[in-house]
Amino acid sequence: DTGVSQDPRHKITKRGQNVTFRCDPISEHNRLYWYRQTLGQGPEFLTYFQNEAQLEKSRLLSDRFSAERPKGSFSTLEIQRTEQGDSAMYLCASSFGSPNTEAFFGQGTRLTVV
Amino acid sequence: AQSVTQPDIHITVSEGASLELRCNYSYGATPYLFWYVQSPGQGLQLLLKYFSGDTLVQGIKGFEAEFKRSQSSFNLRKPSVHWSDAAEYFCAVSNQAGTALIFGKGTTLSVSS
Repeated sequence: DTGVSQDPRHKITKRGQNVTFRCDPISEHNRLYWYRQTLGQGPEFLTYFQNEAQLEKSRLLSDRFSAERPKGSFSTLEIQRTEQGDSAMYLCASSFGSPNTEAFFGQGTRLTVV
Repeated sequence: AQSVTQPDIHITVSEGASLELRCNYSYGATPYLFWYVQSPGQGLQLLLKYFSGDTLVQGIKGFEAEFKRSQSSFNLRKPSVHWSDAAEYFCAVSNQAGTALIFGKGTTLSVSS
């Protein structure tokens, strides 16, 4: 078990470009979460999947953001028309079983929009 | 709405001294509470959690936390801090559905020799 894996670890993009991040959860974990963390803040919830179904989305997830989890395995988070305010660390986490079980976090993807 | 407050942004403790990091939460029912640690370049790691039962919870790395409902607090403690404990610590509460964590802003711990 290699833990939650995120790719890329770092991404620099120009404003207006689209970016996509990938998260590979711990195998057999049915729950997957995306969070965003900016400097000096704690992680903020973005969205949650149970298997392939996206069951919850934060109001932070604007129309420019879309997340998928095809086949209930890996997940992708896409940001269209990036803005400087999107610069942050994007964290993925996964867990198994019922709600409130331990969530295991990946190391994150740091996005810088220039 | 649920929320978490960590009043201390930055704390410095001497190596070998005791540590207490404060956490206050706002929640209408019995909360599910967590403490995570984040070291540079590392993902968030769960130190301990409280769901119910004994209000004193033991975690990894010698940490413990005490749930006090009357004070809406869940403070993290360690009797003797090691230099490797220098990191950022986050308190979190689960939302009512158990589908998301609500984090505080974190406390940065520095350890002096």
